[in-house]
Amino acid sequence: QQPVQSPQAVILREGEDAVINCSSSKALYSVHWYRQKHGEAPVFLMILLKGGEQKGHEKISASFNEKKQQSSLYLTASQLSYSGTYFCGTRGRDDKIIFGKGTRLHILP
Amino acid sequence: EAQVTQNPRYLITVTGKKLTVTCSQNMNHEYMSWYRQDPGLGLRQIYYSMNVEVTDKGDVPEGYKVSRKEKRNFPLILESPSPNQTSLYFCASSLVRGEQFFGPGTRLTVL
Repeated sequence: QQPVQSPQAVILREGEDAVINCSSSKALYSVHWYRQKHGEAPVFLMILLKGGEQKGHEKISASFNEKKQQSSLYLTASQLSYSGTYFCGTRGRDDKIIFGKGTRLHILP
Repeated sequence: EAQVTQNPRYLITVTGKKLTVTCSQNMNHEYMSWYRQDPGLGLRQIYYSMNVEVTDKGDVPEGYKVSRKEKRNFPLILESPSPNQTSLYFCASSLVRGEQFFGPGTRLTVL
């Protein structure tokens, strides 16, 4: 039931774009995205509720396809500060939150 | 300052010695949760609570207990810790179905 994130890791140069995907096998109520830097706690990025919405947050945006039970996180014109591990968390009707294994993103200057 | 606090931040203990990790939030959040984080496995939910006196099992509840007697506190209890419970533990809180605020983490080593 753990959502599958892809890719597992990605290396980019500053200014390049990245897409991180999250796919679940169960019906979803919402999808959460968090970023965690080494040695720190995860930090909230955004929540997407069922209804197929897309949200934006400066140069970070995300989409949620409820029918396909998939979400994607888009990072455009990446900055050095975007480095870290990105987690998607899926929430079903039971209010359990299940996180994927994470996607490690490394931005090179 | 709105925050989630955990204590202790670091703990080394021995197999079988009962321990409690405390978690407290000052944001009046209904939802509180415990996760463990292990390399390559991501964050796995141990227990969660929708409100006072309401707790439910997450994905990996075996070997753990929790209680929610007050809205602000959600302690994690390991009655008989074993080495496979060596991990990094995070407490988090949120409004129901809202963004989660994570505590700073507790690194537990069980020898």
